[in-house]
Amino acid sequence: DAMVIQNPRYQVTQFGKPVTLSCSQTLNHNVMYWYQQKSSQAPKLLFHYYDKDFNNEADTPDNFQSRRPNTSFCFLDIRSPGLGDAAMYLCATSEFIGRARVSEQYFGPGTRLTVT
Amino acid sequence: AQTVTQSQPEMSVQEAETVTLSCTYDTSESDYYLFWYKQPPSRQMILVIRQEAYKQQNATENRFSVNFQKAAKSFSLKISDSQLGDAAMYFCAYRSTGNQFYFGTGTSLTVIP
Repeated sequence: DAMVIQNPRYQVTQFGKPVTLSCSQTLNHNVMYWYQQKSSQAPKLLFHYYDKDFNNEADTPDNFQSRRPNTSFCFLDIRSPGLGDAAMYLCATSEFIGRARVSEQYFGPGTRLTVT
Repeated sequence: AQTVTQSQPEMSVQEAETVTLSCTYDTSESDYYLFWYKQPPSRQMILVIRQEAYKQQNATENRFSVNFQKAAKSFSLKISDSQLGDAAMYFCAYRSTGNQFYFGTGTSLTVIP
């Protein structure tokens, strides 16, 4: 029944050591999102893919990259994690059909990243 | 970018009572969607209710309803007959025509038995 799956649920990495978080979906949605959520804060959109089109938020640091090799999978790469990158990372999907038709977002359980 | 404001960081309600969470937003778009999401502690974010901006009728989902005031750019959530399971962080969200979702800072709801 799992619709948006994130692996791993907990990730520990060292300062400066590249790390990849993964997200997969069984909903066949055409839009996938990555959010960063720090403790007691709102999720902050990092970027999203509409099909293969990558859309970066203007204030997303260059340290964060993403890949979407196919409809089902999307990856978040943090090239050189800093202590400030410790957070919960949420993946979400939605289906965009047209201006007047859009689904809500479906969220995964998140990956909690710790940077040591 | 659009901004979403939730002015109530914390709210509490007695079990079985009604509570209203407020949300305002700023946009120049005419077509957009608004959502309320619930995030229980250490659990997944789930949708509570959605509202299409082109619809004048307020959305309702069982005990949850919204008061959508488009001209005032206000989108409040009313929870009736509050239950212990309603305790969570509630986020108001705005979906732009560009597929981006923007979230408010959240309201932490406590339900008092």
